[in-house]
Amino acid sequence: SQELEQSPQSLIVQEGKNLTINCTSSKTLYGLYWYKQKYGEGLIFLMMLQKGGEEKSHEKITAKLDEKKQQSSLHITASQPSHAGIYLCGAPRDFGNEKLTFGTGTRLTIIP
Amino acid sequence: EPEVTQTPSHQVTQMGQEVILRCVPISNHLYFYWYRQILGQKVEFLVSFYNNEISEKSEIFDDQFSVERPDGSNFTLKIRSTKLEDSAMYFCASAPRVDEKLFFGSGTQLSVL
Repeated sequence: SQELEQSPQSLIVQEGKNLTINCTSSKTLYGLYWYKQKYGEGLIFLMMLQKGGEEKSHEKITAKLDEKKQQSSLHITASQPSHAGIYLCGAPRDFGNEKLTFGTGTRLTIIP
Repeated sequence: EPEVTQTPSHQVTQMGQEVILRCVPISNHLYFYWYRQILGQKVEFLVSFYNNEISEKSEIFDDQFSVERPDGSNFTLKIRSTKLEDSAMYFCASAPRVDEKLFFGSGTQLSVL
């Protein structure tokens, strides 16, 4: 079965600094989703990547998909307190498959 | 933006009791899902539902679990006889198409005592 490993597991960053979270799959990626979970709350959609080499940005968050490395990265520029939370990557089992496998999560804390 | 609504936000029940978790997916969506997250663990897929039937289910989704779309708006997850290990946050999700992003609800925290 597919496993998604995220690194780091936990990150403490000073406000205004940049940071990167990685998600590595044990199998071929047929797409990759990034979600953010606020402590004890639901999952908020951030980004969906569907093709190798694809890069998407929204506000200060950029996500890239490297199909060959079976990896995706999420980069936050000039971090703010509102970026704090748990970041989850999720991947479909195969093309067009609806079931998502989620990663282990990265807990991001922003300190003023 | 439209959202997926889940009720209740918290549910406490005694072991062996039946519980029904309720969800109202986004109105024009066709695909519906339940996921769960045991405290400190990964978000796990339970079941997907399309065209009034289960399209896929995980090993977790045994005979104690069932899903239903009783009318055009609600989507429910029933656990017939709860066990302690069913304690988790249960998330409902919906999508307009199978390859589109999933919209998640804010979850129901189920505690089985």
